[in-house]
Amino acid sequence: SAVISQKPSRDICQRGTSLTIQCQVDSQVTMMFWYRQQPGQSLTLIATANQGSEATYESGFVIDKFPISRPNLTFSTLTVSNMSPEDSSIYLCSVEGASVGRGNTEAFFGQGTRLTVV
Amino acid sequence: AQKVTQAQTEISVVEKEDVTLDCVYETRDTTYYLFWYKQPPSGELVFLIRRNSFDEQNEISGRYSWNFQKSTSSFNFTITASQVVDSAVYFCALSEADRDDKIIFGKGTRLHILP
Repeated sequence: SAVISQKPSRDICQRGTSLTIQCQVDSQVTMMFWYRQQPGQSLTLIATANQGSEATYESGFVIDKFPISRPNLTFSTLTVSNMSPEDSSIYLCSVEGASVGRGNTEAFFGQGTRLTVV
Repeated sequence: AQKVTQAQTEISVVEKEDVTLDCVYETRDTTYYLFWYKQPPSGELVFLIRRNSFDEQNEISGRYSWNFQKSTSSFNFTITASQVVDSAVYFCALSEADRDDKIIFGKGTRLHILP
């Protein structure tokens, strides 16, 4: 069964608008991670969503562009703001297997949100 | 700095050949984890293996094997008797215990298995 549910699975958006992506985990976790995968590229970490504090952003990513919410231990949202065609990517959330009681195994990824900005 | 290098951008082999995908990593931590993920054309990430820095034993799982060499900071992945279904992008990745276990991915190697 899936550990992580992401919504929407895909969307086509107009430039200048914003899209909020939801990530639901079936266990309580301290940290959740948001990644971006641009077409034909690898996964790049956007930020770590900490429960009870501000998200920690990686170099090249800022809160104004990618605001993150973490209202509880099972849920997070990533918003892609003021979108441009360059934001067309797959966005994925992730949690560590150990943090959801799966032991020393994999990191779990959502199925991703495929975003196209036109 | 935390870094993963997959020097092979794209590889093509004929079915039934063996193929090795290279991965070299950089880390200052003594405790870290290495991963391989497969991303088939459908797009989902398929977990293959996770290895911690204290376990240098090589791993074999069916046609897949992994060679972890701390002396050369490498974690190479070999597919034996390749099959067309092995065609995918393969990512090597690293997480460090001192960096909240967030995973940093290499750029990936696109593997084509030709019938």
